[in-house]
Amino acid sequence: DQQVKQNSPSLSVQEGRISILNCDYTNSMFDYFLWYKKYPAEGPTFLISISSIKDKNEDGRFTVFLNKSAKHLSLHIVPSQPGDSAVYFCAAIRGVRIGGFKTIFGAGTRLFVKA
Amino acid sequence: NAGVTQTPKFRVLKTGQSMTLLCAQDMNHEYMYWYRQDPGMGLRLIHYSVGEGTTAKGEVPDGYNVSRLKKQNFLLGLESAAPSQTSVYFCASSYSTGANSNQPQHFGDGTRLSIL
Repeated sequence: DQQVKQNSPSLSVQEGRISILNCDYTNSMFDYFLWYKKYPAEGPTFLISISSIKDKNEDGRFTVFLNKSAKHLSLHIVPSQPGDSAVYFCAAIRGVRIGGFKTIFGAGTRLFVKA
Repeated sequence: NAGVTQTPKFRVLKTGQSMTLLCAQDMNHEYMYWYRQDPGMGLRLIHYSVGEGTTAKGEVPDGYNVSRLKKQNFLLGLESAAPSQTSVYFCASSYSTGANSNQPQHFGDGTRLSIL
């Protein structure tokens, strides 16, 4: 039962254009959503997050949008650069009785930005 | 500034062999985690620890054991390796102790493990 889904395994975008990565979730109890970026042979690194009480968060070229009614999250990268080529993981956090919280990751979307 | 360090980076084992993966963090984080990453399945939590001397099961704990004897170290053990445990293993750490926080996890660069 995948609570966090990234339905597009890959995405190809021209340099300078907008990249839109999508994520759907099933559990309305999630408190925070995060995006991580992963380069080959490296671990994921945190990119941007959004609280469940917000609908938008922006950090430079990266903006995350949250549509709670649709249980949908998206990451916009504008303008896209070749260095943005990586795998992007969507993650969701919810509270649990033991351990305080739980993070659930999507399967990832590989972004190719063509020069 | 090392962050999270995993050793070894690569390892090939035969079925039935045992081994221990080591994770060390220098950020004084309370929480540490072990994940495995398989194609098309994202990151799945194996075990985690909310502090020195504590461990708990994650999503896919079978076949693995862990220990957190020191705050900075989190060890993942495979007692009898199986081909199904071929994967890339990531260790992570974080500060957060509550759900109402976006405190991100800091990951190591991974250990690629092949079981023949």
